[in-house]
Amino acid sequence: GDSVTQMEGPVTLSEEAFLTINCTYTATGYPSLFWYVQYPGEGLQLLLKATKADDKGSNKGFEATYRKETTSFHLEKGSVQVSDSAVYFCALKEGGGADGLTFGKGTHLIIQP
Amino acid sequence: DGGITQSPKYLFRKEGQNVTLSCEQNLNHDAMYWYRQDPGQGLRLIYYSQIVNDFQKGDIAEGYSVSREKKESFPLTVTSAQKNPTAFYLCASSLKPGLPSYEQYFGPGTRLTVT
Repeated sequence: GDSVTQMEGPVTLSEEAFLTINCTYTATGYPSLFWYVQYPGEGLQLLLKATKADDKGSNKGFEATYRKETTSFHLEKGSVQVSDSAVYFCALKEGGGADGLTFGKGTHLIIQP
Repeated sequence: DGGITQSPKYLFRKEGQNVTLSCEQNLNHDAMYWYRQDPGQGLRLIYYSQIVNDFQKGDIAEGYSVSREKKESFPLTVTSAQKNPTAFYLCASSLKPGLPSYEQYFGPGTRLTVT
């Protein structure tokens, strides 16, 4: 079945550092890919998405490119802020069914001032 | 503002009691979902519904039940048969369930503690 693998956390960085959170996936077809962010005690918010190979999703300085050849969707940001501290989830949705998203386990990001 | 509301934010119950978690959306979305989140884990799908009066089991449906009598509402009941009910429960919705590009929108979650 489908699966998503993310790098283990926590990831601790200093403010203004470059961020990469790795995400790779396994799917039988051509899924849509998503990054969600969860702040403490809250639900998930969509950060960005890509629906086909070579698409780049971007939002709030974050970017991720859908790489079919490496089955990856790594999240990047050039200069992180303390307010970026949160848990980040990579997820995929395959096919036309109405079932849910397949999530990775999440990566806890901690940004120190 | 359009969105998804879940109530209550925190819920405490004694073991052996059934408990119902509320989820309401005013986004006019067709599909609704319930996920469970445990510490250090991703989200796991409990139940989902494409349309009113229809719902399907997800990956971990045992010990849970749902109903979809109205488009806006998708309550989840955690029964006494659920062996480890303490968790963070998230409700979500999406506009068109059949299209993979349509993202899901999430509510703020309910943290259930059973002792």
